[in-house]
Amino acid sequence: SAVISQKPSRDICQRGTSLTIQCQVDSQVTMMFWYRQQPGQSLTLIATANQGSEATYESGFVIDKFPISRPNLTFSTLTVSNMSPEDSSIYLCSVVSPGANYGYTFGSGTRLTVV
Amino acid sequence: AQKITQTQPGMFVQEKEAVTLDCTYDTSDPSYGLFWYKQPSSGEMIFLIYQGSYDQQNATEGRYSLNFQKARKSANLVISASQLGDSAMYFCAMRYEKLTFGTGTRLTIIP
Repeated sequence: SAVISQKPSRDICQRGTSLTIQCQVDSQVTMMFWYRQQPGQSLTLIATANQGSEATYESGFVIDKFPISRPNLTFSTLTVSNMSPEDSSIYLCSVVSPGANYGYTFGSGTRLTVV
Repeated sequence: AQKITQTQPGMFVQEKEAVTLDCTYDTSDPSYGLFWYKQPSSGEMIFLIYQGSYDQQNATEGRYSLNFQKARKSANLVISASQLGDSAMYFCAMRYEKLTFGTGTRLTIIP
């Protein structure tokens, strides 16, 4: 199954700034997913990123706040823009790839704290 | 709409005892998949076990087994002989077009 390298693993950012999170996959995958996990909460899907088309955002998430790039089949970035303390969360990317785990593999997560 | 419910926000279990984590789901589609993930304090999501809706037998993976009761729409995770390293958050998830997660159960193993 695919292996994902997610960076950074953690960061502390000032409010009003932006952070870009990267996910690099060791094989080509069609679909990549970005999740947010607020403190003590479950994972919530932000958007689905397909190569060559605009990301599809879930209800409650907008492109201006969470712009996503997917320049090729192995890489994607999620930017958290104009951050506020409410954006403090763990952000995870995930891909669907054949093999183990019945298709789903997760990155190691980015723990973001906004001060 | 698909929905996953985990009714146990937290559990404390003595080391070496078995533990059952509850999960119920709601879907009108006959084809779906059910997952359990473990999330330690590091934040990564660790896949534990999978059950397909058409699978006739309950899934097992080492110390993990899934008690799948399709008519009751439940997919409980059973961990046998619990260990201190099992202390973590556990999430049940259902796949139908996309992966939807329950609210999780925080499991603490007591020495």
